Amino acid sequence: GIQVEQSPPDLILQEGANSTLRCNFSDSVNNLQWFHQNPWGQLINLFYIPSGTKQNGRLSATTVATERYSLLYISSSQTTDSGVYFCAGIYGNKLVFGAGTILRVKS
Amino acid sequence: GAGVSQSPRYKVAKRGQDVALRCDPISGHVSLFWYQQALGQGPEFLTYFQNEAQLDKSGLPSDRFFAERPEGSVSTLKIQRTQQEDSAVYLCASSSGLTTDTQYFGPGTRLTVL
Repeated sequence: GIQVEQSPPDLILQEGANSTLRCNFSDSVNNLQWFHQNPWGQLINLFYIPSGTKQNGRLSATTVATERYSLLYISSSQTTDSGVYFCAGIYGNKLVFGAGTILRVKS
Repeated sequence: GAGVSQSPRYKVAKRGQDVALRCDPISGHVSLFWYQQALGQGPEFLTYFQNEAQLDKSGLPSDRFFAERPEGSVSTLKIQRTQQEDSAVYLCASSSGLTTDTQYFGPGTRLTVL
């Protein structure tokens, strides 16, 4: 089946640091989304990014569809950025999620 | 409404009981999805509706799981004769049109089967 791999699995940052999260997918995706799951379990949409680069404040994402990967950049991290970050590729009728990256930002 | 809502937020069931989980999608959204998220894992697809038609139920783990969306709006996921392995968070998502559109998720229902 389709595989979506995320790295690193865990990341601890000091507040103010920058980070890059990676998502590799085993087959071509129709589209790709990045989510932040907050401590209460809510999946918050960050980016819908089939290709190219998008920016939203301190976050930006780049998807290179031909090479089957996507990157999420977090700059000047804050404690409120803590949580689990998921990427998910749209295959047919469904989103296929990676296992997530657990991010902890320390003050 | 402004977002996807789900109820109840928490459900505790004794093994063997039937449960029903409700999802209210964003108003006007054609597509509705159910996902199951086990502890420490990413969500996994269960089923997909386009309006009232269930077009994909390939992710339902057993015939104890049943979903419906009779009027093309609210959806109910029913689990019969619950087992401990059914304990998980059940997430509902909706999108405005095609399955390739952005999916917006509800807060989930955390089901614990004792």
